[in-house]
Amino acid sequence: EADIYQTPRYLVIGTGKKITLECSQTMGHDKMYWYQQDPGMELHLIHYSYGVNSTEKGDLSSESTVSRIRTEHFPLTLESARPSHTSQYLCASSEEAVDEKLFFGSGTQLSVL
Amino acid sequence: QKEVEQDPGPLSVPEGAIVSLNCTYSNSAFQYFMWYRQYSRKGPELLMYTYSSGNKEDGRFTAQVDKSSKYISLFIRDSQPSDSATYLCAMTVTGGYQKVTFGIGTKLQVIP
Repeated sequence: EADIYQTPRYLVIGTGKKITLECSQTMGHDKMYWYQQDPGMELHLIHYSYGVNSTEKGDLSSESTVSRIRTEHFPLTLESARPSHTSQYLCASSEEAVDEKLFFGSGTQLSVL
Repeated sequence: QKEVEQDPGPLSVPEGAIVSLNCTYSNSAFQYFMWYRQYSRKGPELLMYTYSSGNKEDGRFTAQVDKSSKYISLFIRDSQPSDSATYLCAMTVTGGYQKVTFGIGTKLQVIP
């Protein structure tokens, strides 16, 4: 079954640690995205990719980085986690022809102590 | 001012009621309008997708777009407890990559 997977679902980590949030999709979509969602706030785009070796920053400034070495894989990395990074991170992908239809993963809830 | 305004609720209705969820927007260039449903501790899932003005119906769900008023609505008929979720409106300008702008989401609870 085509889907988009995020791991871990929940992560509690101490300040200063390096973390990588994993995102994989089996739909063959070229376009992938990372959104940040905080309680009571809109989804904000922090990174996107048009395909392999393509990465761009989104509207919301983020200290995280992303990579796209394989079509199906779009990991997000924080080199040194801080409490301000506490949030829900949602990965999404879209079909080439219909960017507006986003397929989301279940998200990673990150808590930095 | 936000580009997309959406009442966060919460909205509580009895089972079987007709639910009306709404968003207003300020950017007249928006042409694609979506509604996403997000269950607790899950990612959003696309529920309805509409291009330009008009109505679209899918089972118990009807999406309406009024571009002249910059107003979109989602109606849920015969609401069920399983409809309890947060509903996010979303919109974008044109095809090809354009930023999708989301509303804050309205939390709906359908009481049995």
